[in-house]
Amino acid sequence: GAVVSQHPSWVICKSGTSVKIECRSLDFQATTMFWYRQFPKQSLMLMATSNEGSKATYEQGVEKDKFLINHASLTLSTLTVTSAHPEDSSFYICSAKAAGTSPTEQFFGPGTRLTVL
Amino acid sequence: AQTVTQSQPEMSVQEAETVTLSCTYDTSESDYYLFWYKQPPSRQMILVIRQEAYKQQNATENRFSVNFQKAAKSFSLKISDSQLGDAAMYFCAFYRGGSNYKLTFGKGTLLTVNP
Repeated sequence: GAVVSQHPSWVICKSGTSVKIECRSLDFQATTMFWYRQFPKQSLMLMATSNEGSKATYEQGVEKDKFLINHASLTLSTLTVTSAHPEDSSFYICSAKAAGTSPTEQFFGPGTRLTVL
Repeated sequence: AQTVTQSQPEMSVQEAETVTLSCTYDTSESDYYLFWYKQPPSRQMILVIRQEAYKQQNATENRFSVNFQKAAKSFSLKISDSQLGDAAMYFCAFYRGGSNYKLTFGKGTLLTVNP
């Protein structure tokens, strides 16, 4: 199956700093990528949908100025958590949909654990 | 808006036995897709099984099968001959179709498999 990677897998940062998380589709072109947030023992909550070359669409309640999403190429999307605070500590997961495939074909990355001190 | 409800926060099963995880959903759509995803301790989301709402036949993937009751808006997952590797968090998910491809997830059921 298609592979999606995320980097880093775990990051610790100080409060007030910014952190960038990368999501890459390794063997396919991803026209659409999704960013989810998952708190411990909870479900995945969709944060935003990004389409290559256009602005991301954010879900209600997600601050677009705090969670900057860039999808500059068909294989890379980035999520930047700006001015991170301890409440931003969470597990962030991306998924990607390949161009021209069934709408139900989404592939998930392994996730990134963010800890803000 | 669609909602997905998993009423069992935790379930346990003996190795080699069968277990059924429940999922109900609410939608006004007539054509949609339902999924079960597995999230083991590694946190990697793995698609277990998928069901198209227009198909009356229940989907099956080896030891995994679903009981899809469209009128009741119910979509349960049956795991037969449970194995230790089946231990994970299981999420039911809904996709209503269309071009946004958004998935709505339930809160999950933590499955423990006892040897």
